[in-house]
Amino acid sequence: LAKTTQPISMDSYEGQEVNITCSHNNIATNDYITWYQQFPSQGPRFIIQGYKTKVTNEVASLFIPADRKSSTLSLPRVSLSDTAVYYCLVGGTSGSARQLTFGSGTQLTVLP
Amino acid sequence: DAGVTQSPTHLIKTRGQQVTLRCSPKSGHDTVSWYQQALGQGPQFIFQYYEEEERQRGNFPDRFSGHQYPNYSSELNVNALLLGDSALYLCASSLGDRDRYGYTFGSGTRLTVV
Repeated sequence: LAKTTQPISMDSYEGQEVNITCSHNNIATNDYITWYQQFPSQGPRFIIQGYKTKVTNEVASLFIPADRKSSTLSLPRVSLSDTAVYYCLVGGTSGSARQLTFGSGTQLTVLP
Repeated sequence: DAGVTQSPTHLIKTRGQQVTLRCSPKSGHDTVSWYQQALGQGPQFIFQYYEEEERQRGNFPDRFSGHQYPNYSSELNVNALLLGDSALYLCASSLGDRDRYGYTFGSGTRLTVV
């Protein structure tokens, strides 16, 4: 299973764009990159998933360079309610990918 | 559309006892995975059930066992509880066993072993 490395914590101010970068040097050809958000005492919530280039949905964008050894989650104009832990995961579609491997995540704190 | 439902939300048990946690998957999902999350850590994979069978297992002892019913609901059983089993236990459901579609997590059961 590919290992991921993320910053332990980040601070931002309301209204700013936040970019959280994840390193996954050993990503396999079949692996997808998925980001989850978790609030205290709640389960992780799926944010976005991608394989290459750029993916955008109503809450975030995911940028993946051509070598796929890293990815960046971009949150536009964050608010206080975006304060949470963000996890980057890589995994395929079969076999050992059945288990999601979470690291320690990035604690994002949005300040007023 | 109901999401993943877990019960109970909180539980206090004594060391050595046994506990059963329950999970109802999101409507339309047929695969259930269980995770243990200690305070300040990311969730750790326990096992996954698909078609009523355990398909994959993480690095957890045999004291942790599970079951999936024909209606796709699932149970996590932990025997001979240890203080270190205190954690948030999360259930996640998906369609099939592929992360391709993203997993939906419940809010978890907070287990405290005293």
